[in-house]
Amino acid sequence: AQSVSQHNHHVILSEAASLELGCNYSYGGTVNLFWYVQYPGQHLQLLLKYFSGDPLVKGIKGFEAEFIKSKFSFNLRKPSVQWSDTAEYFCAVNGYRDDKIIFGKGTRLHILP
Amino acid sequence: DAGVIQSPRHEVTEMGQEVTLRCKPISGHDYLFWYRQTMMRGLELLIYFNNNVPIDDSGMPEDRFSAKMPNASFSTLKIQPSEPRDSAVYFCASSLGTSPYNEQFFGPGTRLTVL
Repeated sequence: AQSVSQHNHHVILSEAASLELGCNYSYGGTVNLFWYVQYPGQHLQLLLKYFSGDPLVKGIKGFEAEFIKSKFSFNLRKPSVQWSDTAEYFCAVNGYRDDKIIFGKGTRLHILP
Repeated sequence: DAGVIQSPRHEVTEMGQEVTLRCKPISGHDYLFWYRQTMMRGLELLIYFNNNVPIDDSGMPEDRFSAKMPNASFSTLKIQPSEPRDSAVYFCASSLGTSPYNEQFFGPGTRLTVL
């Protein structure tokens, strides 16, 4: 069965620190991968997605993620975080041509000013 | 476009009462998804529709939950009778075509509290 595992439930960083949020998935086949973000009091928004091509994907607000097929991973990175990055981040996966997406449990990121 | 619209935004009810959550997808989108978010279980897919037809309801927790999509612009999720463990945020999302070519757009959610 498909599953997504996010390693950290809660991360606290200071502004300007570098960020890496871990995500591993379990799926026997070609996958599409996503990171969604939910800012406080707001709905989920797509941050970035990967479905083919360059395994290093760049998204909005300076975020990027790298798909490492051999490790079944899709970690999210940002070189220098800002207070406004405080949010909950969800990694998600679906099988190629699947309609539904499986979400991880999320990582709550707090950035200290 | 107004995006995905959900109502109500907050609902407080007593155990045993019927609860109806509503969703209006983005015009032209042919997929509609209902999710539930809790601290313990994260974001779970409950059911999804394609062209108003339910495709997969395997995530619906039990018979107390039902969902309908009578037309392309409206869907409901009903809980009858409601229980305290149903307290969660319920999200509706819509997309045009199959992911990943078209992302899912989420509504603001309905925060349900069952006392």
